[in-house]
Amino acid sequence: AQKITQTQPGMFVQEKEAVTLDCTYDTSDQSYGLFWYKQPSSGEMIFLIYQGSYDEQNATEGRYSLNFQKARKSANLVISASQLGDSAMYFCAMREGAGSGYSTLTFGKGTMLLVSP
Amino acid sequence: EAQVTQNPRYLITVTGKKLTVTCSQNMNHEYMSWYRQDPGLGLRQIYYSMNVEVTDKGDVPEGYKVSRKEKRNFPLILESPSPNQTSLYFCASSGLGTASNQPQHFGDGTRLSIL
Repeated sequence: AQKITQTQPGMFVQEKEAVTLDCTYDTSDQSYGLFWYKQPSSGEMIFLIYQGSYDEQNATEGRYSLNFQKARKSANLVISASQLGDSAMYFCAMREGAGSGYSTLTFGKGTMLLVSP
Repeated sequence: EAQVTQNPRYLITVTGKKLTVTCSQNMNHEYMSWYRQDPGLGLRQIYYSMNVEVTDKGDVPEGYKVSRKEKRNFPLILESPSPNQTSLYFCASSGLGTASNQPQHFGDGTRLSIL
């Protein structure tokens, strides 16, 4: 079974609108971390936002926020006021086993976001 | 500046010719990892290392070797490259510890084409 599922291969949004990119995860660990990365067409991987499994508040970083619903095992990325520069591939990732020193990230297959003027 | 440096950025080579992709980080991170990225498959882990002289297989280790003789370096070795190893490769590093909130820092990627 996939540990990270991103069901939207592609999303379109108009500039200045908000968009939600979906991510569901599967783990039996109580302690884990969820990450979102952005990959523009130039190819580099840019860290956007982190949510810990014990965090009670949803993470926010500027225009990015993470809608964390633990019971549903979802960690959706919300981008407010989309900009043309937000056009990129977005990856959701999970790190399990925190506390054991284990640090491997498992990635979803990504969602391509296109922002139109 | 904190960074992960991969070299080369681009390489076209032929089947069977041994090659090494270097990776170096200047953040004193214990953990380093190699991923490959293929269309529709996301990033898949090849090998990782928890510290010097400690390496382990990821999800797709076949055809690859790694070494971790120094903390800062984690080269990826393809002893006999084949066309199915044509891919975009990323090296990443992070600290370890009880907190799971340390993001992995990625290199800029190495695009390998094996003919």
